[in-house]
Amino acid sequence: QSVLTQPPSASGTPGQRVTISCSGSTSNIGINSVNWYQHLPGTAPKLLFYNNNERPSGVPDRFSGSKSGTSASLAISGLQSEDEADYYCAAWDDSLTGVVFGGGTKLTVL
Amino acid sequence: EAQLVESGGGLVQPGRSLRLSCAASGFTFDDYAMHWVRQAPGRGLEWVSGISWNSGRIGYADSVKGRFTISRDNAKNSLYLQMNSLTPEDTALYHCAKGGRGFGESPHQWGQGTLVTVSS
Repeated sequence: QSVLTQPPSASGTPGQRVTISCSGSTSNIGINSVNWYQHLPGTAPKLLFYNNNERPSGVPDRFSGSKSGTSASLAISGLQSEDEADYYCAAWDDSLTGVVFGGGTKLTVL
Repeated sequence: EAQLVESGGGLVQPGRSLRLSCAASGFTFDDYAMHWVRQAPGRGLEWVSGISWNSGRIGYADSVKGRFTISRDNAKNSLYLQMNSLTPEDTALYHCAKGGRGFGESPHQWGQGTLVTVSS
């Protein structure tokens, strides 16, 4: 059972817009920033966003991140086949004194 | 760009120990917190442990507290994870990850990982 809650799966067709949610609490997302990662199992996760919506260089602007209260969202517009991957949210948790992750969302491009 | 290369994984029997290492390059190592994060087969990402730039702040997941010890050597740009009393539940790909300048931040760059298999 992950501390942050994500839907286990999401899907869309090429060109569509999909959104992945991440729900937390006042001890993590409510007071700390959220990071998002794109991950293909067995490889190094790739940072998509830090500080809720700051995009590292090289991440396409088709990707956007946002946070409101104790929830965060990742949106991908103009969906492409190469976006098929697992997506994770993460935040520092002040009560647990550690990083907490969502359970991951498997994105399928139909 | 940060480069992180893990080593030290392998097959180990339950109850035994293993020490993981992470060689860092491409950034000022002693400016950043560092973390270990693992992924068990078929499971999601799980934070294992983190350490501040000067080793002054250290944290562990409850699942490894008392068994694992994180450390770093800033002179060698290296991060370590000493794992004792291993159980099959510790079987996972272990990633070294660069944190932020502050201790209470999620990881940024990650290594490819080193596989730890605990089995008799």
